[in-house]
Amino acid sequence: QITLKESGPTLVKPTQTLTLTCTFSGFSLSTDGVGVGWIRQPPGEALECLAHIFYNGDKYYSPSLKSRVTITKDTSKNQVVLTMTNMDPVDTATYYCAHMVGQWLGRGAFDYWGQGTLVTVSS
Amino acid sequence: IQMTQSPSTLSASVGDRVTITCRASQSISSELAWYQQKPGKAPNLLIYKASTLEIGVPSRFSGSGSGTEFTLTISSLQPDDFATYYCQQYSSFRTFGQGTKVEIK
Repeated sequence: QITLKESGPTLVKPTQTLTLTCTFSGFSLSTDGVGVGWIRQPPGEALECLAHIFYNGDKYYSPSLKSRVTITKDTSKNQVVLTMTNMDPVDTATYYCAHMVGQWLGRGAFDYWGQGTLVTVSS
Repeated sequence: IQMTQSPSTLSASVGDRVTITCRASQSISSELAWYQQKPGKAPNLLIYKASTLEIGVPSRFSGSGSGTEFTLTISSLQPDDFATYYCQQYSSFRTFGQGTKVEIK
């Protein structure tokens, strides 16, 4: 059974750096084709993929956020960490992490999601 | 790659056949997924590779298309289907459409 859970601060101040941790179980991030992504959703708005990382360490970033976002993995801890610098009120959103298997293995979509964590950016 | 869904909102009744369209700004072959999201919940994967139904998803959901034009069809709308639907491409990075809210008519 695959599960993911996001953790981190619920409130950050403008200009601060956000660090979120995705802790997962039921799969290994060292298995061929497996990846984890971070997706956010501002209140009442659409989903936006921020970054994802694959089993082999390949990382992909949203072009519009590439300068602010870093994704890393700790395979031994079953964790993926997202950091986002210079937070602004427009970054207020629910942040999700999700599991995927690479499209070269016939999948590609986010098939298991965490419950999400609401991060508010306010002074 | 930009994804554009239409309509943004759709009003329908139980039993109706519903179709949602998603257009990509460039060809994405069949690398497209559809998700359903209910208020306060994470999205749920319905379809991947444009037309492959995820395990456990009811057969009233179907997807079609390739290249730049795709559709999600619900053959007979059920009460549990009132939700927001998103398309997502995974040909180049991953981007979502703006969503289509299916409302009760």
